[in-house]
Amino acid sequence: EPEVTQTPSHQVTQMGQEVILRCVPISNHLYFYWYRQILGQKVEFLVSFYNNEISEKSEIFDDQFSVERPDGSNFTLKIRSTKLEDSAMYFCASSTGAGGLNTEAFFGQGTRLTVV
Amino acid sequence: GEDVEQSLFLSVREGDSSVINCTYTDSSSTYLYWYKQEPGAGLQLLTYIFSNMDMKQDQRLTVLLNKKDKHLSLRIADTQTGDSAIYFCAESFFSGGYNKLIFGAGTRLAVHP
Repeated sequence: EPEVTQTPSHQVTQMGQEVILRCVPISNHLYFYWYRQILGQKVEFLVSFYNNEISEKSEIFDDQFSVERPDGSNFTLKIRSTKLEDSAMYFCASSTGAGGLNTEAFFGQGTRLTVV
Repeated sequence: GEDVEQSLFLSVREGDSSVINCTYTDSSSTYLYWYKQEPGAGLQLLTYIFSNMDMKQDQRLTVLLNKKDKHLSLRIADTQTGDSAIYFCAESFFSGGYNKLIFGAGTRLAVHP
């Protein structure tokens, strides 16, 4: 069964360093998303991406964050200068469509980012 | 604004039914979803209900939607130890050509013998 894969599963980084979280969405999907979950809190929407551009971003997704689909298969989330409060589980998701039946989002297993 | 609330814990005996509840604030959502997260795994879509339905049954799972009270529930019949996981309620909004999910904090279901 096709699945969304994320690498690495766990990333530890020093505060101020740049990190890139990688995702391979399901191959025929057109819409891509990043969500995050700070430990013990809700899963929060970060950004949606379609047709090589951001569709919407949340307040969390400030200038330190960027997304890219560099080669038609990978979908990356970059955090330019990590802060302690960026420590969270980051989930990538993809879907075939933007709404309606059978366009539900499929999620990866997550990357746990720990900023020290 | 949009908000989804769930109770944080539920403990049931194996073989009993589990009922996980969720309330949401925005009545313009199109679909409501239940996702399951097992330890170390991602968010697995369990089932969903379209906002104009009031019930959906899928094998051991029954979803009830009360739009008036903005209340969603997931009933798991004959709960098994393999059902132990965190269950997330989410509402989706179709806006501007994309789909955004608003999640609750998740309900941790513990199944004991």
